[in-house]
Amino acid sequence: ETGVTQTPRHLVMGMTNKKSLKCEQHLGHNAMYWYKQSAKKPLELMFVYSLEERVENNSVPSRFSPECPNSSHLFLHLHTLQPEDSALYLCASSQAGNTEAFFGQGTRLTVV
Amino acid sequence: QKEVEQNSGPLSVPEGAIASLNCTYSDRGSQSFFWYRQYSGKSPELIMFIYSNGDKEDGRFTAQLNKASQYVSLLIRDSQPSDSATYLCAPSGATNKLIFGTGTLLAVQP
Repeated sequence: ETGVTQTPRHLVMGMTNKKSLKCEQHLGHNAMYWYKQSAKKPLELMFVYSLEERVENNSVPSRFSPECPNSSHLFLHLHTLQPEDSALYLCASSQAGNTEAFFGQGTRLTVV
Repeated sequence: QKEVEQNSGPLSVPEGAIASLNCTYSDRGSQSFFWYRQYSGKSPELIMFIYSNGDKEDGRFTAQLNKASQYVSLLIRDSQPSDSATYLCAPSGATNKLIFGTGTLLAVQP
């Protein structure tokens, strides 16, 4: 089992659907991150949670809503997405204040 | 100017050669520098980090950092076909958050 686990691995959703991405880390870290990776673009940091508090929101549209119920779990709730939101969504974790991040396997999201 | 610049490649090297991957960054406040390897369809995997100017060696990998020139590089000695992947440079940035480049695609030819 990897240190950071994401489910589902693949998701196809319509623009009117609501879905959630889940991330769980078993590394004892206390900071968790959501990144978006689109083709030909650098990894984009979306949200940062440190000690279960959201400390960063990089101008992400409100159709993406993160939730961090505890230091081991992170969710990304999705609703009324657009086709341009299709991408690989990566979760990562680290110790707070330490930038050495470990990534999950990602969720490949396709919006139709 | 992009925050992190990498040549997208592909960088093609023969098996056994040295692969040299380069990265420049704009944020002079960056203190930590990370190299991630990403195989096609997989997530990034941390392979090296460096904090101080100079060289840091780990097996076949050597990271080189020059903060004055805002330049960091990764050398892979005795390149193997299994090294074929995209290599992502990620300085920490002044806010201590990783800022990623677009990555360099390395292709090691058998």
